[in-house]
Amino acid sequence: DAGVIQSPRHEVTEMGQEVTLRCKPISGHNSLFWYRQTMMRGLELLIYFNNNVPIDDSGMPEDRFSAKMPNASFSTLKIQPSEPRDSAVYFCASSLFLSGGNEQFFGPGTRLTVL
Amino acid sequence: ILNVEQSPQSLHVQEGDSTNFTCSFPSSNFYALHWYRWETAKSPEALFVMTLNGDEKKKGRISATLNTKEGYSYLYIKGSQPEDSATYLCAVYYGGSQGNLIFGKGTKLSVKP
Repeated sequence: DAGVIQSPRHEVTEMGQEVTLRCKPISGHNSLFWYRQTMMRGLELLIYFNNNVPIDDSGMPEDRFSAKMPNASFSTLKIQPSEPRDSAVYFCASSLFLSGGNEQFFGPGTRLTVL
Repeated sequence: ILNVEQSPQSLHVQEGDSTNFTCSFPSSNFYALHWYRWETAKSPEALFVMTLNGDEKKKGRISATLNTKEGYSYLYIKGSQPEDSATYLCAVYYGGSQGNLIFGKGTKLSVKP
């Protein structure tokens, strides 16, 4: 298996532009997680899905952020409009089941820079 | 608010030294603890998932213990090597939180040759 795939790996955009990050989880995994990593706050959970259904989006910072999972093999995280404080590394992770006993497999991350 | 604390924040050791660091967490409703290894410019990789009090797991030179009653876990590295240099993340899952792992901020280990 190729592991969790994220695209793009790097994104540089200007303030106010829409940004879409993409994730393909490991085939057969039922749960998908979006994280944001910053120096100040470390690794923060933004939202997670189980069987394509959003379970908890309380970590999404504000309404400018939205995430979808239209099918079991694809998810997007969208920021509209983007702001410089959104600059961070965004990780997607998947696990076999939604249970604390299952390890999460992380993608390589997308480094977002908003100018 | 549940808080997972890791100490020390960073650690510098010489090649061959053995080292250990700590993860502390509220023990109420504990379900599972994860250790991840995160190398610079890569993504976190799971080392261990532990659930039982007194559990001890080992992978090569790395081992971990868990005390769920007092709310802590230790990660040990025996005979550190430069390739062990990474940030080690601890994350805790609480029952009823439906999959939400609470991550600590990590311990950054640097091993000098």
